[in-house]
Amino acid sequence: QSALTQPPSASGSPGQSVTISCTGTSSDVGGYNYVSWYQQHPGKTPKLMIYGVSKRPSGVPERFAGSKSGNTASLTVSGLQAEDEADYYCSTFAGNGVYVFGTGTKVTVL
Amino acid sequence: QVQLVESGGGVVQPGRSLRLSCAASGVSFSSYAMHWVRQAPGKGLEWVAVISFDGSNKYHTDSVKGRFTISRDNSKDTLYLQMDSLRAEDTAMYYCARDFEGGGNDYWGQGALVTVSS
Repeated sequence: QSALTQPPSASGSPGQSVTISCTGTSSDVGGYNYVSWYQQHPGKTPKLMIYGVSKRPSGVPERFAGSKSGNTASLTVSGLQAEDEADYYCSTFAGNGVYVFGTGTKVTVL
Repeated sequence: QVQLVESGGGVVQPGRSLRLSCAASGVSFSSYAMHWVRQAPGKGLEWVAVISFDGSNKYHTDSVKGRFTISRDNSKDTLYLQMDSLRAEDTAMYYCARDFEGGGNDYWGQGALVTVSS
């Protein structure tokens, strides 16, 4: 049950795009279409942004997009806005009833 | 309005026990699997445990197996986490969260802080 690997930080200017990777193995990310992404502002609870690899819950802007290729999932935030500055975590089902989170990425809007 | 409210957190000595509760309202509690997720101060999210909608299946992360037990009482719309043999490394904010589809958790409680210290 090792944590999924994410870059510690990512940044972009307002209006630009930023992509965050989430790397696992064939036993977790690569084995199931159950990748989700969460946004967490300081002192706040996590918010579900993407589920099922690429689906957006109601109310999440279309500029948040998820994808997966092999053992790596990605979250792309297009048209960066100041309120997108937050920590982002990926998560996936890893078989045998177990789930695992990523190490987290701090997104900075320059 | 879905609400998940955790309680039972506090300061406890190493080796002692604590039970967290998560009271649900505004949601069909008995229809959903539920999770516990924790976050140590200044650290990332860590999945702790999940329980099926009817309580028949339970899974825990390796680091808490044999020490923590997830359970639920659907008649009370309440989720529990019994934490025994607590260690300093269990110090964290503990969140309950509702299982959504596609591996996501759509509703989260505000968290209960557990501090393990002598």
